[in-house]
Amino acid sequence: DTAVSQTPKYLVTQMGNDKSIKCEQNLGHDTMYWYKQDSKKFLKIMFSYNNKELIINETVPNRFSPKSPDKAHLNLHINSLELGDSAVYFCASSQSRGRNTEAFFGQGTRLTVV
Amino acid sequence: DQQVKQNSPSLSVQEGRISILNCDYTNSMFDYFLWYKKYPAEGPTFLISISSIKDKNEDGRFTVFLNKSAKHLSLHIVPSQPGDSAVYFCAASALGNQFYFGTGTSLTVIP
Repeated sequence: DTAVSQTPKYLVTQMGNDKSIKCEQNLGHDTMYWYKQDSKKFLKIMFSYNNKELIINETVPNRFSPKSPDKAHLNLHINSLELGDSAVYFCASSQSRGRNTEAFFGQGTRLTVV
Repeated sequence: DQQVKQNSPSLSVQEGRISILNCDYTNSMFDYFLWYKKYPAEGPTFLISISSIKDKNEDGRFTVFLNKSAKHLSLHIVPSQPGDSAVYFCAASALGNQFYFGTGTSLTVIP
């Protein structure tokens, strides 16, 4: 009964390809996030979705696009992959509507672009 | 521009002793602070949190201290156990919005 699950866990692909990473949460949370952990181990927010609306979009290339078909899912699409996109991507969710609470993370997707 | 910083990338402690992990932040709007623990090949898992209206929160062996004037928080683990060996991330948020993370401190507890 994984609370936040993301697939695949590992993804190896060539430069220029388009790929997607899926994320699902069964916690009934209203907000979902995508984080990128780069080679320096820094966890940086990429996107967050609250009730199917994008509320944060940091300085992320427009090759990255989040898609949320419903409140329980937030998928990450990446077009024209580049070597620098290699990283571990974490999905997370929280119940954040106006109150402080923790975020729950998936196990991560290690993306390697060759 | 990092708003949450963990200046010690690693820490080694003997089993049974106290582990102290430190974190500094720059944004005075942060009102909620969290510590996460991360094992290799797993996602971060929530450990303990503290609201800005408190200066201490304790949960078993884990205590988080908050010094708002210094914009500093710390995590104390006592007694440290080998199973505590992991990477610890400090995080902060403002009004329930996105979480900002530090770069982590790798803790090794030596048996």
